Amino acid sequence: AQSVTQLDSHVSVSEGTPVLLRCNYSSSYSPSLFWYVQHPNKGLQLLLKYTSAATLVKGINGFEAEFKKSETSFHLTKPSAHMSDAAEYFCVVSSKAAGNKLTFGGGTRVLVKP
Amino acid sequence: DGGITQSPKYLFRKEGQNVTLSCEQNLNHDAMYWYRQDPGQGLRLIYYSQIVNDFQKGDIAEGYSVSREKKESFPLTVTSAQKNPTAFYLCASSPRPGQGPPDTQYFGPGTRLTVL
Repeated sequence: AQSVTQLDSHVSVSEGTPVLLRCNYSSSYSPSLFWYVQHPNKGLQLLLKYTSAATLVKGINGFEAEFKKSETSFHLTKPSAHMSDAAEYFCVVSSKAAGNKLTFGGGTRVLVKP
Repeated sequence: DGGITQSPKYLFRKEGQNVTLSCEQNLNHDAMYWYRQDPGQGLRLIYYSQIVNDFQKGDIAEGYSVSREKKESFPLTVTSAQKNPTAFYLCASSPRPGQGPPDTQYFGPGTRLTVL
């Protein structure tokens, strides 16, 4: 079984300040973890992906995430928020043993204030 | 350009009517997926197909049906048996199922279905 918990449903940051989106996962198997971003009424775009290689994963648009097995976490960060980062972000877990099915967190909506 | 297209972008349906949502991909991906998204929630898997002429139920298949007659196409029919069909529907595809770590799934732009 696998599950994902995104600890904040909403995050508000000022432009130019750091962003932290928290994600904890549960998986009986070696997981792959993803962060996707969704702008209003759009599909999902992949930000980054962890698949048992380097634990610090760099993605697009300046985002990165660190896989911490001991804490079962995969938090997403960005040093300096931009107005275009306002969107909803989903943490996702998958595993080969789970048939490669994706299990989504509930999402974190990010508001960026000027 | 390679990608996934979904049509229409917005769809309105009267209660009791079946409606079919289109999903096409030109990425030469083997696997395709349909998800449903409700406001403030993550995505839930409706159906998926790992190869042509084969598909499996996801977590919320009741009231939906699919077909996979061609590699590039995976249409979803929302039947009148679906009790609460108003939602945002997303189609996705991935290169190859079941080998190595899970492949990235690539998403289409979505279809918003409203039942009147």
